[in-house]
Amino acid sequence: AQSVTQPDIHITVSEGASLELRCNYSYGATPYLFWYVQSPGQGLQLLLKYFSGDTLVQGIKGFEAEFKRSQSSFNLRKPSVHWSDAAEYFCAVGSMANQAGTALIFGKGTTLSVSS
Amino acid sequence: KAGVTQTPRYLIKTRGQQVTLSCSPISGHRSVSWYQQTPGQGLQFLFEYFSETQRNKGNFPGRFSGRQFSNSRSEMNVSTLELGDSALYLCASSVYRDTGYGYTFGSGTRLTVV
Repeated sequence: AQSVTQPDIHITVSEGASLELRCNYSYGATPYLFWYVQSPGQGLQLLLKYFSGDTLVQGIKGFEAEFKRSQSSFNLRKPSVHWSDAAEYFCAVGSMANQAGTALIFGKGTTLSVSS
Repeated sequence: KAGVTQTPRYLIKTRGQQVTLSCSPISGHRSVSWYQQTPGQGLQFLFEYFSETQRNKGNFPGRFSGRQFSNSRSEMNVSTLELGDSALYLCASSVYRDTGYGYTFGSGTRLTVV
């Protein structure tokens, strides 16, 4: 079955500390991977995506993620967290088989709290 | 350029009623997808439209339906509302480019069924 697992429901990080959010997927086809962030009451903002090529992907707001096919993982990292990064983060996987309109499968999300 | 616009932002409906939500995609985007977000089930795919045709559908009852117009704007309809339909409904528009396809989400419509 196709699925995305985000093992950590809630993470608290000190401001200025590094961050890693984990994402594992199970997907039959070649995956197309995303990380989104959601602030309370808002929609989803794309942080970064992996489509092909370099497995280390740079995104907005200083985030990066590394695609590891052998581990079926796509972990999100940030070297220094800011208080404004507190939000909910979602990992998602889609199929590269369709050019557009594939159904994204989302993980349950990880809530990030930032302590001062 | 303008993003994805969803209207209304908030809705309160009574059980048994029906509701229509609207989504205007980014100009030039011909694909519109709908997702339901609830605390218990998370984000779940409802359906996707491309050039007025439904190409993909999630595992939701027939009470959930949608359509897309020639200008790519999309509507989704939920009939005979149930309490469990209370959720944030998100619309995403997408387009395919050499760098892959990108999904841009709207701010959502918060539906409360009482």
